[in-house]
Amino acid sequence: EAQVTQNPRYLITVTGKKLTVTCSQNMNHEYMSWYRQDPGLGLRQIYYSMNVEVTDKGDVPEGYKVSRKEKRNFPLILESPSPNQTSLYFCASRDSYEQYFGPGTRLTVT
Amino acid sequence: GQNIDQPTEMTATEGAIVQINCTYQTSGFNGLFWYQQHAGEAPTFLSYNVLDGLEEKGRFSSFLSRSKGYSYLLLKELQMKDSASYLCASYSGNTPLVFGKGTRLSVIA
Repeated sequence: EAQVTQNPRYLITVTGKKLTVTCSQNMNHEYMSWYRQDPGLGLRQIYYSMNVEVTDKGDVPEGYKVSRKEKRNFPLILESPSPNQTSLYFCASRDSYEQYFGPGTRLTVT
Repeated sequence: GQNIDQPTEMTATEGAIVQINCTYQTSGFNGLFWYQQHAGEAPTFLSYNVLDGLEEKGRFSSFLSRSKGYSYLLLKELQMKDSASYLCASYSGNTPLVFGKGTRLSVIA
């Protein structure tokens, strides 16, 4: 089954404690992206990757890092999380005709 | 990024027809996606338009006018389960999709 998986699905953490949200896709897609979604602001791109070792900033990259060492994996790293990063995060991968989303990670930073 | 504009909220009656409009910048435009998203869940794909005209998929249809930078999603025979947010997104070649803020549709009895 074609899918994008994310882990964890829910996470409550404290300010400054480094965390990683994993993302994996099994469709051999070259393009992968991270979005955050906040009420009234819609889906906003954090980072995207057009292929292995190729990443670029989206609209809201501050406070986030990514890496793309393998085509299937695209982890999102928060080196020092802050409360304003409390949000719903989606990973996605894309071919020419459709973008597939992961189930989402709800992150709360206290 | 490209500006995507769509209404923030709409309300319609069960069994009726509703049209959700979307406008986008035409520079570098390749195609237009529509997604449905229920609260707290991931967006799910509804349609992808590349050429001008109307594409129908059951109760849902999507229209595109490339020259006008305009699209709409048409939902017929509305059901309560259609209450959701509808996201319009443009595709411009080798970049990720750019999403509008979404239209929250409420279907009432």
